[in-house]
Amino acid sequence: EVQLVESGGVLVQPGRSMKLSCAASGFTFSSFPMAWVRQAPTKGLEWVATISTSGGSTYYRDSVKGRFTISRDNAKSTLYLQMDSLRSEDTATYYCTTDRDPLAYWGQGTLVTVSS
Amino acid sequence: DIVMTQTPSSQAVSAGEKVTMSCKSSQSLLYSENKKNYLAWYQQKPGQSPKLLISWASTRESGVPDRFIGSGSGTDFTLTISSVQAEDLAVYYCEQYYDTPLTFGSGTKLEIK
Repeated sequence: EVQLVESGGVLVQPGRSMKLSCAASGFTFSSFPMAWVRQAPTKGLEWVATISTSGGSTYYRDSVKGRFTISRDNAKSTLYLQMDSLRSEDTATYYCTTDRDPLAYWGQGTLVTVSS
Repeated sequence: DIVMTQTPSSQAVSAGEKVTMSCKSSQSLLYSENKKNYLAWYQQKPGQSPKLLISWASTRESGVPDRFIGSGSGTDFTLTISSVQAEDLAVYYCEQYYDTPLTFGSGTKLEIK
């Protein structure tokens, strides 16, 4: 059974940093591109970033370019999202997903709240 | 960016009724080389993460009831639930994976009368 378990979501002040993790199991992690998708409270879904199987290629939405970094450790079957210079508009539940056309498997999400 | 427009924003139906919801893209999602439409439908029940229902515009995922039917091509797509059940209460999102950034529609909220 495919499992994606996110962690690391907390309350953080604007301008600060935090790192999300996603532990994967039940599939060959290294064979799947992976993505982060977020959902602000009571809002719709918004793609954040995607990383290739090797980690050699990464893609970001414009609003997070230069602030967020997606990475992966295939030996640990873990996906990461480093988030710097956080803004209030980054407040959302962040979901880890597999990204092999389309987004087939989703974690339960982790809530990031950016507020002073 | 490809803009995805979903209508209606919400819909209330009685159990057993048929419901249709629309998704339109600002450019064609049909890739000429493989004749595939890069369009997916997701179901998000209250308090849960999204679940993939349909990929390639009309391919139902394993375990998804056959009352969920995806159709359409190019820029116009439809999700039909042939006989709505109480457990279908959810928000339904379409998503294009033709190009980056991946983009979603704003969702259709299905309510059961």
